[in-house]
Amino acid sequence: GAGVSQTPSNKVTEKGKYVELRCDPISGHTALYWYRQSLGQGPEFLIYFQGTGAADDSGLPNDRFFAVRPEGSVSTLKIQRTERGDSAVYLCASSPGTGGGNIQYFGAGTRLSVL
Amino acid sequence: QKEVEQNSGPLSVPEGAIASLNCTYSDRGSQSFFWYRQYSGKSPELIMSIYSNGDKEDGRFTAQLNKASQYVSLLIRDSQPSDSATYLCAVNGGAAGNKLTFGGGTRVLVKP
Repeated sequence: GAGVSQTPSNKVTEKGKYVELRCDPISGHTALYWYRQSLGQGPEFLIYFQGTGAADDSGLPNDRFFAVRPEGSVSTLKIQRTERGDSAVYLCASSPGTGGGNIQYFGAGTRLSVL
Repeated sequence: QKEVEQNSGPLSVPEGAIASLNCTYSDRGSQSFFWYRQYSGKSPELIMSIYSNGDKEDGRFTAQLNKASQYVSLLIRDSQPSDSATYLCAVNGGAAGNKLTFGGGTRVLVKP
């Protein structure tokens, strides 16, 4: 596709439920990143993939969060036993490679609301 | 101390004036520096990248980097109401590796 695509755009769930957020990167981009943005703050890094493997998952807040990228393209961020504090906009970005100067292009995000 | 710091604003600028935004970072090993613009409810959009000391100009935007002072700035000349947005400073490299570390953003309001 022309840009990074994220689905759903909005997700409302109840505390304790399981959610999956999907990211489809720009075609040909090997690196994929997940960030979380709370209201009034800058995005915070969660995890990044180079190809199929998670190269850095240091930003995942706890073991309720997990992400996969099984074929090196689409990625899914999975959140178990959601809590109200998980409410945020989850942003996905992709870049052509993993050099520090590679530009990261962002999707429109998924707004997660945990009631 | 936050790794990347920005004044949250709002920075109020008359139309046609210059908006000056500042950002400081703590990791001296940082190598790449980015300015993203984010409209309310939208995703961050890259407007400038800079990798070496000095100035880099692109249209009405100029980014300035001073690695010795760990400081990066963005100037917006001839500010337009459409420039009203939150501007996010981001860095990578050094200890952060490939991930971007963002500041909290500066909200800019351009008044006609």
